[in-house]
Amino acid sequence: DVVLTQSPLSLPVTLGQAASISCRSTQRLENSDGITRLSWFHQRPGQSPRRLISQVSNRDSGVPDRFSGSGSGTDFTLIISRVEAEDVGVYYCMQYRHWPHTFGQGTKLEIK
Amino acid sequence: EVQLLESGGGLVQPGGSLRLSCAASGLTINNYWMSWIRQAPGKGLEWVAHLQPDGSATWYVDSVKGRFTISRDNAKNSLHLQMNSLRVEDTALYYCTTGGVQWGQGTLVIVSS
Repeated sequence: DVVLTQSPLSLPVTLGQAASISCRSTQRLENSDGITRLSWFHQRPGQSPRRLISQVSNRDSGVPDRFSGSGSGTDFTLIISRVEAEDVGVYYCMQYRHWPHTFGQGTKLEIK
Repeated sequence: EVQLLESGGGLVQPGGSLRLSCAASGLTINNYWMSWIRQAPGKGLEWVAHLQPDGSATWYVDSVKGRFTISRDNAKNSLHLQMNSLRVEDTALYYCTTGGVQWGQGTLVIVSS
């Protein structure tokens, strides 16, 4: 199975500062159609996950533009340019290139 | 507005069975990849089962193969997960999703003697 390793696992951030989460895959996630199948999710405490980004960098409808995704091959990054209080929770990367689809362990973002 | 409403969870003994259901509104599920994803208490997310839009193919994580069956009732616009031979390690909140895009609130399965 593809293993996704996120770092850091805990991320204390000051309001208004930037935050960056890394996701490293044990296999390449680009399909023969050229699409890289890597998404990011956010889960607030007590809530269902919400997809933020698909195909590395495509923000879902309604996702603030302070969220951005980048990367290629096996290395990917989620950046929150200016953290707001509502951004607390756990962030997961997920690959859907290989079955079984797999998630990273999660990165818990908290406000300092 | 899209809604996915799971039901059928509960407390069951090891070796028992449960059938989870997901009632969809605001979308027609046979147009979507449909999936069950679970989350053990205090843990991360695990993709459990996946059903192709035309129903021709399914995928399961190895740990549930031969025990769980994903299916769809197009007439009722609902998704199901038949879970047999349940194990303690199957204890989790089970989410119905359209391939990870839209999510329900989850239904809790507890396997314990």
